[in-house]
Amino acid sequence: SAVISQKPSRDICQRGTSLTIQCQVDSQVTMMFWYRQQPGQSLTLIATANQGSEATYESGFVIDKFPISRPNLTFSTLTVSNMSPEDSSIYLCSASTSGAIGIYNEQFFGPGTRLTVL
Amino acid sequence: GQNIDQPTEMTATEGAIVQINCTYQTSGFNGLFWYQQHAGEAPTFLSYNVLDGLEEKGRFSSFLSRSKGYSYLLLKELQMKDSASYLCAVNRDDKIIFGKGTRLHILP
Repeated sequence: SAVISQKPSRDICQRGTSLTIQCQVDSQVTMMFWYRQQPGQSLTLIATANQGSEATYESGFVIDKFPISRPNLTFSTLTVSNMSPEDSSIYLCSASTSGAIGIYNEQFFGPGTRLTVL
Repeated sequence: GQNIDQPTEMTATEGAIVQINCTYQTSGFNGLFWYQQHAGEAPTFLSYNVLDGLEEKGRFSSFLSRSKGYSYLLLKELQMKDSASYLCAVNRDDKIIFGKGTRLHILP
């Protein structure tokens, strides 16, 4: 199994500023993902963080707004840039320890970062 | 694109059985997950079905029919702690795409 931690756990930010969320896994993982979950809603995939290459973004999400880093096999960051109140959400990091999702049913989630933008 | 549908809310009684259905339409389908999420917490893995059929794990069972694009999660002997959201999610090209979730309320 893998244990995932995120920093910060929550933050309140001003409109127009940026926040970088860190995701640390206690073991090397192949695939890392970033999700957003708005209040009362399900999870929406933002992007796949690839080690050694550019992140792959889902429709509706762009690198300029959500730059992602993946410098090694245990760490990733997501930046929420030029924030607006609409960005208020919970941001979750997820990781898979297997080379393909679900092969060994090993898909873990971090505790989330609760972001409020004023 | 993809479409994952499940009921928004369900209510059941402690000790009873409840079935939460999920239908999906997606390309690149590799399998289907069920996750449980308590309010304010991260999702926790319940099951993953790749092949058609029923998989049982204690009080929880999950069923998949790939030809029908259909799955269900069956919860037996319901306990108050089972009050949570249950998220159906598809493995699409090695990414997990979530449905909107079903909020399950358990009555004593």
